[in-house]
Amino acid sequence: GQQLNQSPQSMFIQEGEDVSMNCTSSSIFNTWLWYKQDPGEGPVLLIALYKAGELTSNGRLTAQFGITRKDSFLNISASIPSDVGIYFCSCPGNQFYFGTGTSLTVIP
Amino acid sequence: KAGVTQTPRYLIKTRGQQVTLSCSPISGHRSVSWYQQTPGQGLQFLFEYFSETQRNKGNFPGRFSGRQFSNSRSEMNVSTLELGDSALYLCASTNTGTRNTGELFFGEGSRLTVL
Repeated sequence: GQQLNQSPQSMFIQEGEDVSMNCTSSSIFNTWLWYKQDPGEGPVLLIALYKAGELTSNGRLTAQFGITRKDSFLNISASIPSDVGIYFCSCPGNQFYFGTGTSLTVIP
Repeated sequence: KAGVTQTPRYLIKTRGQQVTLSCSPISGHRSVSWYQQTPGQGLQFLFEYFSETQRNKGNFPGRFSGRQFSNSRSEMNVSTLELGDSALYLCASTNTGTRNTGELFFGEGSRLTVL
């Protein structure tokens, strides 16, 4: 079953605002990945985290791998309309586990 | 490099029928995994195939099955369709699968509607 708890489930924000979402797990994972799914498309990798405590940026995106290896967060700064989509956290283990997703709507 | 290709993109079936979905991975990728995506449930792992062998399986009933061919193309089959099987079915490929900590490359999905 689902092992990754992702929140919030949805967000409605004004263009230019910052966004923060997070995932927690009851199990320890050695890798945290964040994907974005645009409408009508498959998910695409945004950021990969391989080390506990690691903080990684990709443009306006910043993600951190929690020190306990049981959580991760993703921040988006200065949101723009094309940030709209569903964001998923994911961890590879015996299978690929995914969070339930955060649906982001950006209001121009 | 061509991406992951899934066919068909859309299909409508009725309860009790069966359906077969196809996935062609990125050239050189040997692992193909399948996911069911429904609103509020996120991506639920169905199974993973690597070099024609099922390596991992999620918690789905036996009506859901799959296979992988020698060219790494994969198919999944759902028999005796139920209304609750309506979903977007995504496949993803990687070079080594769950033993690789890298990314999954997803297709655009096959949207199944069961009436």
